[in-house]
Amino acid sequence: DTEVTQTPKHLVMGMTNKKSLKCEQHMGHRAMYWYKQKAKKPPELMFVYSYEKLSINESVPSRFSPECPNSSLLNLHLHALQPEDSALYLCASSQEGGNKVEQYFGPGTRLTVT
Amino acid sequence: SQQGEEDPQALSIQEGENATMNCSYKTSINNLQWYRQNSGRGLVHLILIRSNEREKHSGRLRVTLDTSKKSSSLLITASRAADTASYFCATDEGAGSYQLTFGKGTKLSVIP
Repeated sequence: DTEVTQTPKHLVMGMTNKKSLKCEQHMGHRAMYWYKQKAKKPPELMFVYSYEKLSINESVPSRFSPECPNSSLLNLHLHALQPEDSALYLCASSQEGGNKVEQYFGPGTRLTVT
Repeated sequence: SQQGEEDPQALSIQEGENATMNCSYKTSINNLQWYRQNSGRGLVHLILIRSNEREKHSGRLRVTLDTSKKSSSLLITASRAADTASYFCATDEGAGSYQLTFGKGTKLSVIP
């Protein structure tokens, strides 16, 4: 199974809502990532988890809160977002250690903040 | 931060032609990868070339790496309409770093 799944596929939320994005992989990868991608731009790294511990936070606003409940799951909790946070949110995973740096991406969640 | 710079930004070719995309980067790297992204979808890993390699092939893909010029190229031979997508290069600095730095991407359109 080389698939990373993300739910939901689309999400529309108001600026006062609280929602969560979910990501799951069953490849035994111990590194998981959240990226944000605006239209016609490359993905921008937000967070990296390694062995379920947050290892990189790219100065992301606190209205985005990541969580890694176990080695297969990654959540991104959203609260009080702004319209400029509308984007495609991508989850990815990779093996831990060595030179195994290929990342496997999910299909993304298209988020619209109204 | 964006390290890789792809050119051209957009490329339109006829089916059957070859497509060449270039990527330049600024710092020393451990690996360089190429990813494909169909419109509004996730990225798919295509090929990885290590800093001590100069050329790599995978099916219709050929990647070259010139570390002295800090540049790489991706050649897709005998293109197909299904190759229509955006292509990104991504670099990592190794030493346990999980961070990939993506280039701005090339949007390839293959006309049937």
